[in-house]
Amino acid sequence: DAGVIQSPRHEVTEMGQEVTLRCKPISGHNSLFWYRQTMMRGLELLIYFNNNVPIDDSGMPEDRFSAKMPNASFSTLKIQPSEPRDSAVYFCASTGIQSYEQYFGPGTRLTVT
Amino acid sequence: QKEVEQDPGPLSVPEGAIVSLNCTYSNSAFQYFMWYRQYSRKGPELLMYTYSSGNKEDGRFTAQVDKSSKYISLFIRDSQPSDSATYLCAMRRDKFYFGSGTKLNVKP
Repeated sequence: DAGVIQSPRHEVTEMGQEVTLRCKPISGHNSLFWYRQTMMRGLELLIYFNNNVPIDDSGMPEDRFSAKMPNASFSTLKIQPSEPRDSAVYFCASTGIQSYEQYFGPGTRLTVT
Repeated sequence: QKEVEQDPGPLSVPEGAIVSLNCTYSNSAFQYFMWYRQYSRKGPELLMYTYSSGNKEDGRFTAQVDKSSKYISLFIRDSQPSDSATYLCAMRRDKFYFGSGTKLNVKP
């Protein structure tokens, strides 16, 4: 299996632009998580899905952030409009619903100037 | 108060030393306790897990859970420079709860 796939790996954009991050979970996994990691705040859970349904989005910082999972093999995290404080590494991870084995993607390093 | 607390370090040790990494938690409902290792510019990868209390050993690594004290530990024996990374503890109830990570540097 190719593991969790994320794209793009790096994104540099200007403040105010829309940013879309993409994730393909491991086949057969039915839980998907979006995290943000910064030096200051560590690894933060933004939102997670079970069977394509958003379960907990309490970590989404503002209405500028939105996430979708239209099917079991694809999810997006969108930031519109982006701000410099959104600069971070964004990770997608997947697992079985009751499993402890969470697999992370390589991350998307976002820089907003 | 965060559900999981972890000393961020950094922790610097000489090669061959025994390393002890620790986390405390507040929610007694946690059943799965995990340790992840994260190399620079990579995603976290699962290193070890323990279900409920007790010890688990895997090569040079030992994970320990004390549910009565709400305290978990990861011990690394004969530490190697290749062990230099950030170690994050994690627990699962519904979602995953991560510690802030301890940065470890093993000097040759």
